[in-house]
Amino acid sequence: QKEVEQDPGPLSVPEGAIVSLNCTYSNSAFQYFMWYRQYSRKGPELLMYTYSSGNKEDGRFTAQVDKSSKYISLFIRDSQPSDSATYLCAIWGNQFYFGTGTSLTVIP
Amino acid sequence: DAGVTQSPTHLIKTRGQQVTLRCSPKSGHDTVSWYQQALGQGPQFIFQYYEEEERQRGNFPDRFSGHQFPNYSSELNVNALLLGDSALYLCASSRRDRNEPRSSLFFGSGTQLSVL
Repeated sequence: QKEVEQDPGPLSVPEGAIVSLNCTYSNSAFQYFMWYRQYSRKGPELLMYTYSSGNKEDGRFTAQVDKSSKYISLFIRDSQPSDSATYLCAIWGNQFYFGTGTSLTVIP
Repeated sequence: DAGVTQSPTHLIKTRGQQVTLRCSPKSGHDTVSWYQQALGQGPQFIFQYYEEEERQRGNFPDRFSGHQFPNYSSELNVNALLLGDSALYLCASSRRDRNEPRSSLFFGSGTQLSVL
């Protein structure tokens, strides 16, 4: 079983839509959860991180962790064409484990 | 402030050859990690260097080796290349002494390696 699983998409939404990206993980001991954004031909850049359970909001982005179901989510409000990228969830468990990434396209 | 820089950006090799990739960490960072990202996959951890020593290693064979220099820059070497080694190789730097959540990985743009 992989440490973290992510639906690869692709996901295509109209501009202004709310986007929901999700991952599940296997080890209940994991405590640090991250979301990275990766543009084409670039390295990943950190968007948000959360520790343990709960929500964290940063502008149009909200990261949510549900430890009871081992489920992490990233919500993007009022999506913009510039949000078009691949979104990777990542978990720290003695090393970083990354999901496969979800490709998002926001159509103007 | 320069971020993480990697060279070369692209590389084409044939099976059986050897390759060396290079990375300069972000200013102020002392730890370098290497990742392999195959097409359509997330980055997979190869190893991490700190104080010129390999501190941690992922599930990669001994054909993958590395080095860290006193100026914190790093090299990734891959011997006896296989077709399956074709991937984007990412370098990430961080500061080991920062007392904060494990969130401080800064990635370079990567080296795209094609093995023919």
